[in-house]
Order: sequence, then C-alpha cells, then structure tokens
Amino acid sequence: GDSVTQMEGPVTLSEEACLTINCTYTATGYPSLFWYVQYPGEGLQLLLKATKADDKGSNKGFEATYRKETTSFHLEKGSVQVSDSAVYFCALRPSNTGKLIFGQGTTLQVKP
Amino acid sequence: DAGVIQSPRHEVTEMGQEVTLRCKPISGHDYLFWYRQTMMRGLELLIYFNNNVPIDDSGMPEDRFSAKMPNASFSTLKIQPSEPRDSAVYFCASSRVGLAATDTQYFGPGTRLTVL
Repeated sequence: GDSVTQMEGPVTLSEEACLTINCTYTATGYPSLFWYVQYPGEGLQLLLKATKADDKGSNKGFEATYRKETTSFHLEKGSVQVSDSAVYFCALRPSNTGKLIFGQGTTLQVKP
Repeated sequence: DAGVIQSPRHEVTEMGQEVTLRCKPISGHDYLFWYRQTMMRGLELLIYFNNNVPIDDSGMPEDRFSAKMPNASFSTLKIQPSEPRDSAVYFCASSRVGLAATDTQYFGPGTRLTVL
C-alpha cells in the first residue's frame, strides 16, 4: 500500500544552520505531496504542498521539490530559527481520494 | 473563524468506560477527518466523512470504535468499552469541498485521552 518514510529524529540544529529533512514515498499513480508542521500542544498546520512532478512548494523559507524519479519530497530551509522548533510530517494524498497518509514525523529542535 | 473545535481537550477514564469525543468542523467545510496520534504508530487516519456520509472507515481499529456525523456541524467518535491501548491524542480535521481541496486539512487542537 501507499506509505511515507521520514528520517528519524530528533534533529538538533543551531540557529541559522541549514535544514534538510528527508522524505520518500511509495504510491501508485500520481499522489499529491505535503509537509505539515505541529507546534507543541497544537494540531497540524499545512506548511507547503506540491501536486505534480517537479513542482516546488514553498512557504516561510521552507522548500520541497516533488521528485518522481527518486520518489522523494525532502524539506529544506537555508537558515532555521528557534521558532521553527516543531514536529514536521511528510504526507501524501493518493489520487482520487481525500485521505492523507502521514510519515512518522521528525522532531526539530533549534538552539539559540 | 473559530477553527475546528474539539471537546474535551483532556479525558481521563478507566478501562471499560465509554468515551465520547466531539468535533465541530469549520463552517462550510464538507469533509471531516478523525485521526489518532500515538508514539508507536504515529498519525493514523481512522475515518473520514464527505457531506456527513462516511467514505472510508478502513482505519477504525475495531468494533469498539464508532463515529457519526448527524449534521454538517457536529461529529462524534465513541469508544465503548475503552482500553488502556486506546490512550492517544485524537485529532479532528476538516476541509472544503473537492478532492484537491482536501489537501489543506485544518486540524483541531486534539483530545488527549488517557485510559487507566
């Protein structure tokens, strides 16, 4: 079945460091891909998305490119801030369905 | 807009008791989703509704779990009887009409359930 695999955390970085969180997926057809973020004590929020191959999603300095040839959707940011500390979830939506399938989540901790 | 509203925020109960979790989606949203989040299994979709009709309940763990959506502004997730392994955070989410629109699901703050 369809699935998402994320790199295990936690990831600990110093402020202004570069961030990459790896995400790969298995799916039939042409899924849409997403990154959601969960701040402590809150529900998930959509961070960015891409709906077809080679699309790049971007928001708040974060970027991810839909790579069909490597079935990947890695999250990147050039300079992280303490306020970016959260849990990040990669997800996919299979074609013709409303359901989202999430990865296990990666905890990011940014230290001043 | 008030966002997705869930109640209660915290629930502590004893094994064998009935538990009812409640959700009010964002007005105008036609899709409603129930998720469960645990350390072991991560975030799992339990069931989702479109226009109050259950579309996919394949994630509901067993017959002890049931979900209803009697109208467009209210849904319940019931566990009867509850067991300690049901302890988790349960999220409700909603989205606007249309499959592509379900890309942006708006999550509630969650209900943290502890079954002793």
